[in-house]
Amino acid sequence: AQSVTQPDIHITVSEGASLELRCNYSYGATPYLFWYVQSPGQGLQLLLKYFSGDTLVQGIKGFEAEFKRSQSSFNLRKPSVHWSDAAEYFCAVGDSNQFYFGTGTSLTVIP
Amino acid sequence: NAGVTQTPKFQVLKTGQSMTLQCAQDMNHEYMSWYRQDPGMGLRLIHYSVGAGITDQGEVPNGYNVSRSTTEDFPLRLLSAAPSQTSVYFCASSPVTGTPTLGQYFGPGTRLTVT
Repeated sequence: AQSVTQPDIHITVSEGASLELRCNYSYGATPYLFWYVQSPGQGLQLLLKYFSGDTLVQGIKGFEAEFKRSQSSFNLRKPSVHWSDAAEYFCAVGDSNQFYFGTGTSLTVIP
Repeated sequence: NAGVTQTPKFQVLKTGQSMTLQCAQDMNHEYMSWYRQDPGMGLRLIHYSVGAGITDQGEVPNGYNVSRSTTEDFPLRLLSAAPSQTSVYFCASSPVTGTPTLGQYFGPGTRLTVT
């Protein structure tokens, strides 16, 4: 069965520091992988996606993610975090017409 | 474009009451879906539709009904609300079906409390 694991429930980083959010997936075939961001009281916004090709994908707001098939991972990174990046981040895997989300990682940014 | 809209934003129901959560999109998307978001659970797919007249169950369909009579609208019905259905509900849409390469566009959510 498809599943997504985000092992970090909450992460705190200083503004300007680098960020890596972890995502591991379980999937039987080539996965379609996504990262979404949710600001408080808002819906989810797509940050980036991977479905084939270059394993390093660039997204909006300066985020990138790397697909590593051998590790079943799709970690999200940002070189320098801004205070406005504080939000909840969700990793998801798509299967034809169904999507499976991780439980999310809450990011706090301290000045 | 308004994107994906949901009404109402907030709703309180008593156990056993029924209601319909509305979802509409103006992007002519084929695919629409409903999720519930609960603390520590992430988003879980309730039902989805790949086009007008076609719906299917997701991960947690029990207690919910859907229909898709038009491309634009995808209402979610709770026939007899239960406290376990207290949650935040999100509607989402996507341009294509079968190959989810484009991700989904999410509505702002409906916060439902069942007492």
